[in-house]
Amino acid sequence: DGGITQSPKYLFRKEGQNVTLSCEQNLNHDAMYWYRQDPGQGLRLIYYSQIVNDFQKGDIAEGYSVSREKKESFPLTVTSAQKNPTAFYLCASSQGVANEKLFFGSGTQLSVL
Amino acid sequence: QKEVEQDPGPLSVPEGAIVSLNCTYSNSAFQYFMWYRQYSRKGPELLMYTYSSGNKEDGRFTAQVDKSSKYISLFIRDSQPSDSATYLCAMRRTGGFKTIFGAGTRLFVKA
Repeated sequence: DGGITQSPKYLFRKEGQNVTLSCEQNLNHDAMYWYRQDPGQGLRLIYYSQIVNDFQKGDIAEGYSVSREKKESFPLTVTSAQKNPTAFYLCASSQGVANEKLFFGSGTQLSVL
Repeated sequence: QKEVEQDPGPLSVPEGAIVSLNCTYSNSAFQYFMWYRQYSRKGPELLMYTYSSGNKEDGRFTAQVDKSSKYISLFIRDSQPSDSATYLCAMRRTGGFKTIFGAGTRLFVKA
């Protein structure tokens, strides 16, 4: 089945630690995205990538970093500079960045110990 | 003021009721309007997609867009307990790369 796989489902971060969230897709989509979801708020865009080796900051990129070395993979690192990292993180993809139909993974819940 | 406003609810209805979910927006450049359904601790899934104004029907679901009022709606007929989820409206302008999401409305359908 084609889809987006996010791992782990739950992740805990200690003070001062960097953690990496995995996102893999087998939909052959060019564009990939990372969103953050907080209770009572809409999804906010962290980073997006149109093609391999290219990515752009979204609305709340501070404290996060990404890479896009393969078409299928778009990992997100939450760095120690992100002071309020507790949230539900969603990875998404679309056929192209101009395509408005997004396909989402199942999400990763990140919590601070 | 947020670009997209959506009442977070929760909205509780009995099984079989007609549900109306709504969003208002401020950017007249939005042309693509989507509704996503999100079950608890899962990723959203695209439910309905509409371009510009008008209605679109798919089974028990109807999406309406009124661009003159900057108002979009999702109607669910004969609601079922399995419809209990959070419904997110989303929109994008033509040629844009960014999708703007509402906060989501939590819906509970009681058996």
